[in-house]
Amino acid sequence: AQSVTQPDIHITVSEGASLELRCNYSYGATPYLFWYVQSPGQGLQLLLKYFSGDTLVQGIKGFEAEFKRSQSSFNLRKPSVHWSDAAEYFCAVGGYGGSQGNLIFGKGTKLSVKP
Amino acid sequence: DAGVIQSPRHEVTEMGQEVTLRCKPISGHDYLFWYRQTMMRGLELLIYFNNNVPIDDSGMPEDRFSAKMPNASFSTLKIQPSEPRDSAVYFCASLTGVVNEQFFGPGTRLTVL
Repeated sequence: AQSVTQPDIHITVSEGASLELRCNYSYGATPYLFWYVQSPGQGLQLLLKYFSGDTLVQGIKGFEAEFKRSQSSFNLRKPSVHWSDAAEYFCAVGGYGGSQGNLIFGKGTKLSVKP
Repeated sequence: DAGVIQSPRHEVTEMGQEVTLRCKPISGHDYLFWYRQTMMRGLELLIYFNNNVPIDDSGMPEDRFSAKMPNASFSTLKIQPSEPRDSAVYFCASLTGVVNEQFFGPGTRLTVL
């Protein structure tokens, strides 16, 4: 079955500290992986995506993620968290093209940032 | 481009009433998706269209839900009759198969009393 697991429901980090949000997936074909961020009352914004090639991908707002096929993981990282990063983060997996583009989302990880 | 547009942003209605949510996808995008987000179930795909044709509606919870896309620039999600358990945030998203990146609208927060 296709699924995405984000094991951490809520994470709190101090401003300036590093961050890693975990994501594991199960997908029958070549996975296309995404991280989205949702601020309160807002829609989802794409942070980064992995389709192929270099397994370390860079995204917006200083985020990066590493695809590890052997571990079925796509963890999101940021070296230094800013207070404005407080939001909910969703990992998603899908296929290529719109016909398989219906994404399967994880349940999300809520990030709180301490001053 | 203005992005994906959804209306209304908030809707409060009473049980049994008909609710219609609207979405205008990004111009040129040939896929449109409707999602529902709740605390309990997270983000769920309800239905998606390709070139205005419904492709997969297996996520539509029951016959009270229906969706249409009469043209490339407009889609509706209708609930009739509405029930309190339909209270959620409903998102519309669109993409072009060339890029394979979904762009989400701001959502409609539905409250059914």
